Amino acid sequence: DAGVIQSPRHEVTEMGQEVTLRCKPISGHNSLFWYRQTMMRGLELLIYFNNNVPIDDSGMPEDRFSAKMPNASFSTLKIQPSEPRDSAVYFCASSPWTGSSQPQHFGDGTRLSIL
Amino acid sequence: EDQVTQSPEALRLQEGESSSLNCSYTVSGLRGLFWYRQDPGKGPEFLFTLYSAGEEKEKERLKATLTKKESFLHITAPKPEDSATYLCAVQALSNAGNMLTFGGGTRLMVKP
Repeated sequence: DAGVIQSPRHEVTEMGQEVTLRCKPISGHNSLFWYRQTMMRGLELLIYFNNNVPIDDSGMPEDRFSAKMPNASFSTLKIQPSEPRDSAVYFCASSPWTGSSQPQHFGDGTRLSIL
Repeated sequence: EDQVTQSPEALRLQEGESSSLNCSYTVSGLRGLFWYRQDPGKGPEFLFTLYSAGEEKEKERLKATLTKKESFLHITAPKPEDSATYLCAVQALSNAGNMLTFGGGTRLMVKP
């Protein structure tokens, strides 16, 4: 079975540019999570969706960050305008939402570098 | 606020030298504790879920145990391919949406 698919794997862009990260969750999973990972702060939850609806976006650092999930098989995380401190690895994860505790399954991330 | 602390931050072992990684947690009612393995350039890979104190799970050279305050990941006779960062995460009873709070991880290096 295909896992969580993220694109692009690497992105290098200049400060001020718009960045869009993409995620395709595992088919049948109705919870989707966006994380950011840095050496200093580890793995931080940015936002998560249940059944395509944003539930908790308290981890989104600033209004420059936005996320959408237009359907069950696609989500985007957008940064506009980008800044050097946004450089990090961004992960998408998905899980079933069944009412019982379920593990999240992660993609291989997008390594973002803002120059 | 849920908190997860992992120790040590880094651990170097010789091949065959068994050891344990620690995950201490504070949560208002534990729904589940999760262990993940992360290789460089990859996303975290799910290993185990533990639900209640006294529970144990095993997979090859790894065994995870759980008490009311901490979890241990025991590595028996490790091999170089066990080198990775191991992450612990908790899910609270108050959280109905599968949210996880992660620890900072333990970077394990196994020398041949």
